[in-house]
Amino acid sequence: DTAVSQTPKYLVTQMGNDKSIKCEQNLGHDTMYWYKQDSKKFLKIMFSYNNKELIINETVPNRFSPKSPDKAHLNLHINSLELGDSAVYFCASSQGSTGQGLSYEQYFGPGTRLTVT
Amino acid sequence: GEDVEQSLFLSVREGDSSVINCTYTDSSSTYLYWYKQEPGAGLQLLTYIFSNMDMKQDQRLTVLLNKKDKHLSLRIADTQTGDSAIYFCAETLGGYNKLIFGAGTRLAVHP
Repeated sequence: DTAVSQTPKYLVTQMGNDKSIKCEQNLGHDTMYWYKQDSKKFLKIMFSYNNKELIINETVPNRFSPKSPDKAHLNLHINSLELGDSAVYFCASSQGSTGQGLSYEQYFGPGTRLTVT
Repeated sequence: GEDVEQSLFLSVREGDSSVINCTYTDSSSTYLYWYKQEPGAGLQLLTYIFSNMDMKQDQRLTVLLNKKDKHLSLRIADTQTGDSAIYFCAETLGGYNKLIFGAGTRLAVHP
């Protein structure tokens, strides 16, 4: 009954490969996010989708492509992996996305540790 | 600019209070959050405060907000070894709930 789940938990791959990380939430939320946490624990948002529509797209190499088949799923595909892509990738979800005076707390998945060799 | 700052380390004795400080940049941030990350785990939402509040208390946690100085703090009373973790403060930026995180404060609790 995990609220936000990610697969795989660990991913080790070689440079140049293409890989995908999957995320699913069973909270009935409308908005999902991808964050990257580097080796110094610094967290930065990459993308956000609201009801399958891309609403946040930070300065991320276009080798990274998010896909949201439905509002409960947000996958992250990475082409031509590089050493610098090694990090922990966190998926999160929230009930909504626009402020309007409401707090839309984000709930995080357990993370996927990607190691590129 | 987008810059949330926190001190990187804090060491406290078990049973003492811990105070983790944070400064943020966007005066229009509506909500400010505290998250906890234990080793090898994801981020757990601890608490949040609305920008028109000065203080929020939730059991052992007290959040203080000084909006004039853009300063946020998290006080943990009676700190336990299970509180050892990295604590992140975060502000929301823009209209799409974008969380901007600080670098995290590593709290070490010793006997």
